[in-house]
Amino acid sequence: EIVMTQSPATLSVSPGERATLSCRASQSVSSSLAWYQQKPGQAPRLLIFGASTRATGIPARFSGSGSGTEFTLTISSLQSEDVAVYYCQQYNNWPPRTFGQGTKVEIK
Amino acid sequence: QVQLQESGPGLVRPSETLSLTCTVSGYSISSRYYWGWIRQSPGKGLEWIGSMHHSGSTYYNPSLKSRVTMSEDTSKNQFSLKLSSVTAADTAVYYCARLKEDSVMVAEYWGQGTLVTVSS
Repeated sequence: EIVMTQSPATLSVSPGERATLSCRASQSVSSSLAWYQQKPGQAPRLLIFGASTRATGIPARFSGSGSGTEFTLTISSLQSEDVAVYYCQQYNNWPPRTFGQGTKVEIK
Repeated sequence: QVQLQESGPGLVRPSETLSLTCTVSGYSISSRYYWGWIRQSPGKGLEWIGSMHHSGSTYYNPSLKSRVTMSEDTSKNQFSLKLSSVTAADTAVYYCARLKEDSVMVAEYWGQGTLVTVSS
């Protein structure tokens, strides 16, 4: 069973600064890694799939990298509308576990 | 633009069956895509429940497999979730989703979610 671990739990970043979120898999998931953004009261939104491919309509300030067990989501210049919880998800292996526990991004 | 809307009872008694329906507009569920159910609870975070395809192919989370059934009604462009023998641990917001092409586990379009509380 693959366990996804995200860090940090909370990230405080000043507007316009870079935000770097990490996701680690307990075993290799190749590039089968997605990132989602969830704002309060809303459903998650797909940001990144295949570890580094932006989904349709996602701004270029969001980028993903990594493979195997270590992955990163970078927001190059944090905007106020980026305040949310971000989840990573592996889809290389069928559940029971697929999502990380989330990283909350807030404005400093 | 595909849109999804969950519907069903907001309160279910323990040991009974939770039944939810997802109504899809803007796209046929009889397409090449998989359709899925995901839930979110404060205690367990996001949890994948299962995925289904018009062809009859289904994938269920092993931890829920004995209690889950997913089905479709193509005449209404809907698909459904049944979860039997519910307990308080099944209290969550339930989301339906259209999955990304060639994927059984990447949710590209989501419904707004519906809260289901299991309580007597």
